[in-house]
Amino acid sequence: EAGVAQSPRYKIIEKRQSVAFWCNPISGHATLYWYQQILGQGPKLLIQFQNNGVVDDSQLPKDRFSAERLKGVDSTLKIQPAKLEDSAVYLCASSLGGRATNEQFFGPGTRLTVL
Amino acid sequence: GQQVMQIPQYQHVQEGEDFTTYCNSSTTLSNIQWYKQRPGGHPVFLIQLVKSGEVKKQKRLTFQFGEAKKNSSLHITATQTTDVGTYFCAGLSLRDDKIIFGKGTRLHILP
Repeated sequence: EAGVAQSPRYKIIEKRQSVAFWCNPISGHATLYWYQQILGQGPKLLIQFQNNGVVDDSQLPKDRFSAERLKGVDSTLKIQPAKLEDSAVYLCASSLGGRATNEQFFGPGTRLTVL
Repeated sequence: GQQVMQIPQYQHVQEGEDFTTYCNSSTTLSNIQWYKQRPGGHPVFLIQLVKSGEVKKQKRLTFQFGEAKKNSSLHITATQTTDVGTYFCAGLSLRDDKIIFGKGTRLHILP
């Protein structure tokens, strides 16, 4: 079974630039999550989708971050414009069920450095 | 808002010694999950606890969920070098279905 795919793996940008991350979850998984993991901290949930609907985006900085999950499969997360404090690993995860009561499978993450 | 605290933040143990990490939530949880993240890697699911007072074992790992469903622990018996990594708990709030990860406990094994 293929795992969660993410690209790119690494990205370096300057502040005020834009960046986009892509995630392809495990086939058949209804729920998709985007997390931000700052060095030395636990993953922080940014947004949770069930199929192509948003379940929770309460911690997404909506003035600069946006995410979509077209057709309930792939998802993209965008930052525009980036700030220095956005430097982190962005993790995508997926799970089979509709609530966060199921095992989450994480992708390898995208390491973002904002200069 | 809901908080999930993990202690200790770091733990250095000699190989063969035991290790325990504790997770405490400010609110009652529906369930709690534990993940392991190797250095440079991504979190990998270990287990989920749902019932009050539940205890589950996986070889040398023992997981407990408190009676009040607000705290949990992970105990590793006779640590090995393969246990190196950061262990995270992730609690699902009973009140609002939000999932919160703890900051993790980083385990370092001294040979």
